[in-house]
Amino acid sequence: AAGVIQSPRHLIKEKRETATLKCYPIPRHDTVYWYQQGPGQDPQFLISFYEKMQSDKGSIPDRFSAQQFSDYHSELNMSSLELGDSALYFCASSPRGQGNYNEQFFGPGTRLTVL
Amino acid sequence: KNEVEQSPQNLTAQEGEFITINCSYSVGISALHWLQQHPGGGIVSLFMLSSGKKKHGRLIATINIQEKHSSLHITASHPRDSAVYICAVRSGGSEKLVFGKGMKLTVNP
Repeated sequence: AAGVIQSPRHLIKEKRETATLKCYPIPRHDTVYWYQQGPGQDPQFLISFYEKMQSDKGSIPDRFSAQQFSDYHSELNMSSLELGDSALYFCASSPRGQGNYNEQFFGPGTRLTVL
Repeated sequence: KNEVEQSPQNLTAQEGEFITINCSYSVGISALHWLQQHPGGGIVSLFMLSSGKKKHGRLIATINIQEKHSSLHITASHPRDSAVYICAVRSGGSEKLVFGKGMKLTVNP
């Protein structure tokens, strides 16, 4: 069965650079969630989208922005990168079309290292 | 105090042992997830519960809404079960999951 796809899987950037992380949800899933997991930390919710609209927002820095496109894939844009942004970034998707909450399926994550 | 507490934080077991991982939460929830994270990072969803009990293979998950408590049981544990097990809850009308700190399980052969 198709799973959530994230790209790239690994990314190395310098401080103050920008990065774009991509998430391709499971086919027919209309909701995408982004989470950040710092070293030794539990994942923290960043932001979510339903039908291309932001549906909830967590502890996402102002330097970050995200959007969901017409094909339901999502991109997380990160600017002015800081050392503390080094983390594993997970995307999850779910089929929320009926208005009910459904199980979130996680991608493999993108490991971002800021030097 | 964290909204989601897991115990124990670390557990080492011998192959074949019955293992229980506990999760307590302090908020009203609409769903609770048990997740598995292997070294290297990938997260796999094991169960989503809102009431009662679910079973999949050697894994059993239970939840007691009144006591705000859930348990994940692993029967006949195997070294490949070694991973971090994370409890996460969705509370109220929010979309987001709130995660526990996870429990690192090591099963020795």
